[in-house]
Amino acid sequence: NAGVTQTPKFRILKIGQSMTLQCTQDMNHNYMYWYRQDPGMGLKLIYYSVGAGITDKGEVPNGYNVSRSTTEDFPLRLELAAPSQTSVYFCASSYSGTQNTEAFFGQGTRLTVV
Amino acid sequence: AQSVAQPEDQVNVAEGNPLTVKCTYSVSGNPYLFWYVQYPNRGLQFLLKYITGDNLVKGSYGFEAEFNKSQTSFHLKKPSALVSDSALYFCAVRENQAGTALIFGKGTTLSVSS
Repeated sequence: NAGVTQTPKFRILKIGQSMTLQCTQDMNHNYMYWYRQDPGMGLKLIYYSVGAGITDKGEVPNGYNVSRSTTEDFPLRLELAAPSQTSVYFCASSYSGTQNTEAFFGQGTRLTVV
Repeated sequence: AQSVAQPEDQVNVAEGNPLTVKCTYSVSGNPYLFWYVQYPNRGLQFLLKYITGDNLVKGSYGFEAEFNKSQTSFHLKKPSALVSDSALYFCAVRENQAGTALIFGKGTTLSVSS
């Protein structure tokens, strides 16, 4: 039972490079989220999706893009990496039947931009 | 807009003593409230949630939380702390409205000394 799987676990990018953080879940959850975690700042919501084909901006969407072509996958794209995007990124998913279900998290991707 | 506040960056308790980690929230409608725990270099794990009904919610690892609507609080508690409870704890809220995202506080580091 895989749950939420994120790849890669670690990555170092140079300024201006691009990359895609992958996230897939096998629980048939409609809701998926991308958060970034910075020390002392908690988790900030980047983007979220309530179902395939639907995405919405969170608190800190600038510099990122997402797509949701399938229920299972929710990739996060960084087009022009900047040092401010150095962070730990978490993907999560939850069942959409009601709003009271908990979210399940991946193990995170630690990204460093140099 | 939804928001969550965790007023303490760090809580220190001795093993065997009771612990409280504070959380207050702001939503325009009825809230769904969650507590998560994060161990070093790991993703977030769900502890417990409040949906409706009894204001005292019991969760994993002996933790419980008390919902107080008048004070808009959802404090995490445990009667007797263990050294292994040392971790980063996050409070989260979601409005009882379709399409809303899960919003996190900045986290509180719990340190339990032997």
